[in-house]
Amino acid sequence: KQEVTQIPAALSVPEGENLVLNCSFTDSAIYNLQWFRQDPGKGLTSLLLIQSSQREQTSGRLNASLDKSSGRSTLYIAASQPGDSATYLCAVFRDDKIIFGKGTRLHILP
Amino acid sequence: DAGVIQSPRHEVTEMGQEVTLRCKPISGHDYLFWYRQTMMRGLELLIYFNNNVPIDDSGMPEDRFSAKMPNASFSTLKIQPSEPRDSAVYFCASSDFSDEQFFGPGTRLTVL
Repeated sequence: KQEVTQIPAALSVPEGENLVLNCSFTDSAIYNLQWFRQDPGKGLTSLLLIQSSQREQTSGRLNASLDKSSGRSTLYIAASQPGDSATYLCAVFRDDKIIFGKGTRLHILP
Repeated sequence: DAGVIQSPRHEVTEMGQEVTLRCKPISGHDYLFWYRQTMMRGLELLIYFNNNVPIDDSGMPEDRFSAKMPNASFSTLKIQPSEPRDSAVYFCASSDFSDEQFFGPGTRLTVL
């Protein structure tokens, strides 16, 4: 059974620092992996989608990597800003199943 | 496009009442997903449709839950009868062939 884990559950970082969020999954036979951002009281916003054949995707200050063999994905945020404060979730897709992690709550300190 | 639209945004009801949540996906998207989010269990997939046909409903918690998609632009999630443990935020999402999902703002359901 696929399990998706995100550690830590919460993270506080001073503004301007680079940071890495982690996502691990137990079954490496995934179709793709997606990172989301969730602001309080709002729906999920898709950040990056990595297909199983890819190793990374970049969008602006965000870079997501995927290592299927080790069952890990990381989301790298460069030069963090207070507006980056949110909960970040990863989700893995396989066949007709989508499994979410519980998220990392990120707080950027001004 | 206005994105995925959900209604109502908030719903407060009493135990035993029927609840209907509504979703309009992004035009042209042929996948529609219903999720439930709680603090204890995080975000869970309830059911998803492809071209209006339910593909996987294994996440639907029990028979009190039902979902329909009568056409490409409308879907409902119904709970009958509702119970306090159904209180959660329910999200609808849609996607096209690219698999990237776009989420609606969610419906916050409170069952008293």
